[in-house]
Amino acid sequence: SQQGEEDPQALSIQEGENATMNCSYKTSINNLQWYRQNSGRGLVHLILIRSNEREKHSGRLRVTLDTSKKSSSLLITASRAADTASYFCATDAQGGSEKLVFGKGTKLTVNP
Amino acid sequence: NAGVTQTPKFRVLKTGQSMTLLCAQDMNHEYMYWYRQDPGMGLRLIHYSVGEGTTAKGEVPDGYNVSRLKKQNFLLGLESAAPSQTSVYFCASRPFPGGGNQPQHFGDGTRLSIL
Repeated sequence: SQQGEEDPQALSIQEGENATMNCSYKTSINNLQWYRQNSGRGLVHLILIRSNEREKHSGRLRVTLDTSKKSSSLLITASRAADTASYFCATDAQGGSEKLVFGKGTKLTVNP
Repeated sequence: NAGVTQTPKFRVLKTGQSMTLLCAQDMNHEYMYWYRQDPGMGLRLIHYSVGEGTTAKGEVPDGYNVSRLKKQNFLLGLESAAPSQTSVYFCASRPFPGGGNQPQHFGDGTRLSIL
């Protein structure tokens, strides 16, 4: 069963615009992670946010977490064509599960 | 640094054939995972291992077996391939400890077609 669900399923924007992707999950979590997958490649870890954090930044990435709403958002600012990829959120269970549960992903297309 | 390496990258099998997918990591990670990725389904966990000599079932284990005889290798076996096992298979690893507080490192996948 997939705990995280990304929204939207697909997003198409112009270079330079901001892209926002959302993730909702069902049960309490220890932390939430975001991954990127370029076409034909494996997933690459982007950022991890712990359940006691509300916002985290990494370069052009900004992640927020609202545990009361069981949701997270990933914002990519000033997007580039190279940001074209699928983005997945992943959660683990509170208490430190050794497993991650991935959502179905958001496919982002950045048009030059 | 190679990271996580999957072999082979592509394979076509006939129904009923068997094969083994190999995953090797050079990061001395304790935990290793096998996922399958199907269109519209995201990643689903097949089996995983928390250390050499250990394996455990994930969300979709039926039709697959695994072995972790060496810390750096995690093998995924299909004893009698079925068309429903056509998928892209990803291996991942991560260090211990930290529960979920460590990111997973992924290979580039094995694209498997069962005819």
